[in-house]
Amino acid sequence: GAGVSQSPRYKVAKRGQDVALRCDPISGHVSLFWYQQALGQGPEFLTYFQNEAQLDKSGLPSDRFFAERPEGSVSTLKIQRTQQEDSAVYLCASSSGARIKHFGDGTRLSIL
Amino acid sequence: AQSVTQLDSHVSVSEGTPVLLRCNYSSSYSPSLFWYVQHPNKGLQLLLKYTSAATLVKGINGFEAEFKKSETSFHLTKPSAHMSDAAEYFCVVSDGGVSNDYKLSFGAGTTVTVRA
Repeated sequence: GAGVSQSPRYKVAKRGQDVALRCDPISGHVSLFWYQQALGQGPEFLTYFQNEAQLDKSGLPSDRFFAERPEGSVSTLKIQRTQQEDSAVYLCASSSGARIKHFGDGTRLSIL
Repeated sequence: AQSVTQLDSHVSVSEGTPVLLRCNYSSSYSPSLFWYVQHPNKGLQLLLKYTSAATLVKGINGFEAEFKKSETSFHLTKPSAHMSDAAEYFCVVSDGGVSNDYKLSFGAGTTVTVRA
């Protein structure tokens, strides 16, 4: 497809379970970003990749959050031992440069 | 540090009337400023961007925004609202600093409703 694709669109998990969220960026886009959007708030930066290198992970809220992009294309955001406060929409974006970003439709994560 | 403040959490307009969404920013560097729109259960779509060229920026769907450095503002306007403009709007700043110009800081959002 032409846009950023995220899967699953919706994920429900029990507290304590591990989850994995996938992002397929636009083909050829070097930069990939993850954002977290809590209900009723603006998105907040989590992490940034340039190709396979994770250049900034300063926004990851705890060591339970882990992101990877091993081949410089698809990225996975993993959350271990999920907590209720992890409930949010997780947005992925990609770009060919640093500034203009194309966002996916997000994964809505609900932790019960 | 960079941040934006969206002055209205909710704006309601009648179809065909003007829309004004207000945004003030703070930034340590020469900022890049953006407006994004988010329709329900959808991702973010870029409406327009300012990157130190013309202070009046025209975007998609008839929106435009004016960068005013003296007022640290970047308000979004549209002369005539359409029903399809009902959505959440985010004002966004990127610090423009060499080390982290990729990092976007979002405002809390303004919900726009359009009355028929």
